[in-house]
Amino acid sequence: EAQVTQNPRYLITVTGKKLTVTCSQNMNHEYMSWYRQDPGLGLRQIYYSMNVEVTDKGDVPEGYKVSRKEKRNFPLILESPSPNQTSLYFCASSLQGRHTQYFGPGTRLTVL
Amino acid sequence: SQQGEEDPQALSIQEGENATMNCSYKTSINNLQWYRQNSGRGLVHLILIRSNEREKHSGRLRVTLDTSKKSSSLLITASRAADTASYFCATDSNSGYALNFGKGTSLLVTP
Repeated sequence: EAQVTQNPRYLITVTGKKLTVTCSQNMNHEYMSWYRQDPGLGLRQIYYSMNVEVTDKGDVPEGYKVSRKEKRNFPLILESPSPNQTSLYFCASSLQGRHTQYFGPGTRLTVL
Repeated sequence: SQQGEEDPQALSIQEGENATMNCSYKTSINNLQWYRQNSGRGLVHLILIRSNEREKHSGRLRVTLDTSKKSSSLLITASRAADTASYFCATDSNSGYALNFGKGTSLLVTP
């Protein structure tokens, strides 16, 4: 089954404790992206990747890192999480950036 | 940056009625897409309309695009309680490398 998976689905952590949210897709898509969703602000793009070893900042990249060492994986790294990063995070993939995007189920992160 | 802007922010209708939501955007696009999100879950693609198309249908969905007005509408006919969700429009960015999502329309369909 074609899908985008994210782990963990729920995470509660404390300020400053490094964490990684994994994202994997099995559709051989070149393009992958991370979004955060906050009430009243909609979906905002954090980082995207057009292909292996090619990443670029989205609209709200501060406080986040990404890597794309393999085509199928695109982890989101929070080196020193802060409470303002409490949010619902989505990973998405597509053939190319402007094409139909397939979303993962979301990761609800709470930073205390 | 967010380019699409949905209107209304919230819509409440009864089953069987039609639901119409609108999307306005600012710069020229190659295509416009509509997505649906059930509460707290991932977005699901509904329909894509290209800039050279004016109308597109998919089941009970009808999407129109007016590039001169930089606007699109999504019509859901004969709505059902299961259509309750948030609906987002997304436009491709100027760079063509990403989609820009609006803030969404929250649709409530009551039995």
